[in-house]
Parts: sequence; C-alpha cells; structure tokens
Amino acid sequence: GAGVSQSPSNKVTEKGKDVELRCDPISGHTALYWYRQSLGQGLEFLIYFQGNSAPDKSGLPSDRFSAERTGGSVSTLTIQRTQQEDSAVYLCASSPRGNTEAFFGQGTRLTVV
Amino acid sequence: LAKTTQPISMDSYEGQEVNITCSHNNIATNDYITWYQQFPSQGPRFIIQGYKTKVTNEVASLFIPADRKSSTLSLPRVSLSDTAVYYCLVGVSGGYNKLIFGAGTRLAVHP
Repeated sequence: GAGVSQSPSNKVTEKGKDVELRCDPISGHTALYWYRQSLGQGLEFLIYFQGNSAPDKSGLPSDRFSAERTGGSVSTLTIQRTQQEDSAVYLCASSPRGNTEAFFGQGTRLTVV
Repeated sequence: LAKTTQPISMDSYEGQEVNITCSHNNIATNDYITWYQQFPSQGPRFIIQGYKTKVTNEVASLFIPADRKSSTLSLPRVSLSDTAVYYCLVGVSGGYNKLIFGAGTRLAVHP
C-alpha cells in the first residue's frame, strides 16, 4: 500500500476485554513503532521493532500490553483486560532501517467503557 | 537518547514568520535533528531534518548553530492551516533509533 495502514480505525470495548490493534507498515520498512496518545497529550512511546533484532519494549506500561511483528511486516498490539485508562489513540509508524523519517498511520482510537 | 526541550505553546497571526526553538544540550556527534508536524486527529508527519547549519525545503527551514545544542524551525508566512503541534527529535539516522517524542509545541495561528 501507499502508506501505513491501521485497523480498526475505531474500537469501543468493555472494561476487562482483550483487544488487538493491527498495523500494516510500508513495504520494505524494517523499523516499526507503536505509540499511544491520550487526548491533548504528546506521543508516548510503547515499543520499537528493528529488523530481526529483539524489540525494544521499554515503553510498554504494564504486562497487559504486548506486541508482535510477524515476518518482519505486519504488527499486532494486544491489550489484555482493558482498563478505562487505556482509552487513547494508538499510532503505528514505520521507517526504512534506522531512518528518523518515520511514516505514521491514522491511528486506532480505542475507547474502553 | 538526547532529551529535547521546546516551548509548550506559541501564538502567531497569518502572514507572520514563526520560529520555534528546541534545546538539545546533550546531543551526540552522530545525532540528526528532525521535526515533525501533527494536525488534530492525524498522525505526525515528517517535515524537515538536519545535521548542521541550515536546511530548507518547501515547508520550512531548519537552523542549527555550530554547537548543535539547539535548533530553530522557521515557518515562513504562516497560514491558519499551519496550526498544529510541532515536535523536535534527535536521533541517529541510519542506525538503531528509537524515536522519542516530547510534548511538542502547540502553534496556534490566528486570522
């Protein structure tokens, strides 16, 4: 595709349920990032994948959050037992190896009710 | 990773030049300086990157002094559509690079 694609664009879930957010990066981009952005706030780093290296998970806020990247392409961010404070926009970005020009998707707006 | 400091907000009027300065006192030798722009309800988008001196593209100019401890993003003749949040980042281009965004500068352009 032409850009980074995220799905779903909106997700409403009940507290305690698990959710999966998907990111399709730009083809050939080896770096993939996940961020969380609460209303009116900056981007909170969650996790960074770079090629076949072990992902940098240092930003994941709790063990309820996990992410994987299959075949160096598609990534899934999973939030288990969602809480209301998980409500935010989750943004995915990809870039060529180590390049600081990252391309962002439109995000998934997650609402936990 | 070098930490960056920017003003939280700025106001300007249409047609004016806007300069947003970012401090990065502990920038490393291999670090580049990158600026992103984020409109409401959209993901950030790359606008400009530089290493030293001056870089100009169709959107903005980036001024970097010799000591590289700060940088200034210059937006010429802003319009209402330039209202956005602007983020300054430092990192190593071409290497292992975790992009950390600060709070950014919220620019409001008024008629």
